Amino acid sequence: GAGVSQTPSNKVTEKGKYVELRCDPISGHTALYWYRQSLGQGPEFLIYFQGTGAADDSGLPNDRFFAVRPEGSVSTLKIQRTERGDSAVYLCASSPGPTGNTIYFGEGSWLTVV
Amino acid sequence: RKEVEQDPGPFNVPEGATVAFNCTYSNSASQSFFWYRQDCRKEPKLLMSVYSSGNEDGRFTAQLNRASQYISLLIRDSKLSDSATYLCVVNGGGTYKYIFGTGTRLKVLA
Repeated sequence: GAGVSQTPSNKVTEKGKYVELRCDPISGHTALYWYRQSLGQGPEFLIYFQGTGAADDSGLPNDRFFAVRPEGSVSTLKIQRTERGDSAVYLCASSPGPTGNTIYFGEGSWLTVV
Repeated sequence: RKEVEQDPGPFNVPEGATVAFNCTYSNSASQSFFWYRQDCRKEPKLLMSVYSSGNEDGRFTAQLNRASQYISLLIRDSKLSDSATYLCVVNGGGTYKYIFGTGTRLKVLA
């Protein structure tokens, strides 16, 4: 597609359940980012991939959060044992390369944990 | 201290006004700077990059002050459609993180 695609656009899940959020970046973009945004806040960095490897995962809040990008394109953010505090919009972004480039966001996956 | 700090606002200004936002950053090694715009319940979109020499795009002017570690955005002749949240973004020197500020809300009033 022309832009960054994220699925699902909305997800309501029960506390304690497992959730997967998918991101399909812009074709040819080697860098992929995951951010989390809560109401009234700016996007909070979670993890960055360059190719298949996680170059920086320092923003993942705890070990319930994990992300993969096995073939260097599509990425999945996985959240185990969801908590109500995980409710937020999860934004994926991609860019042509690592530094100095514009990053382009998808529309986000709105996660609500009840 | 946060890595990137912005005044959250809101800034309420009449149509036609000039409004300026500042953003400070803590990492002196930062190399790349941007302003993004975010509409309510939408994803952030690039407004403009910020270059060392300053740059202008129509009614928008961005400037970088490395000595004081801040960037600014000036909007001239404000339009109703400029109402949005403006996010300051800094890429840390030597890292690949793009760090966002909390955003500054702008409301342009008729």
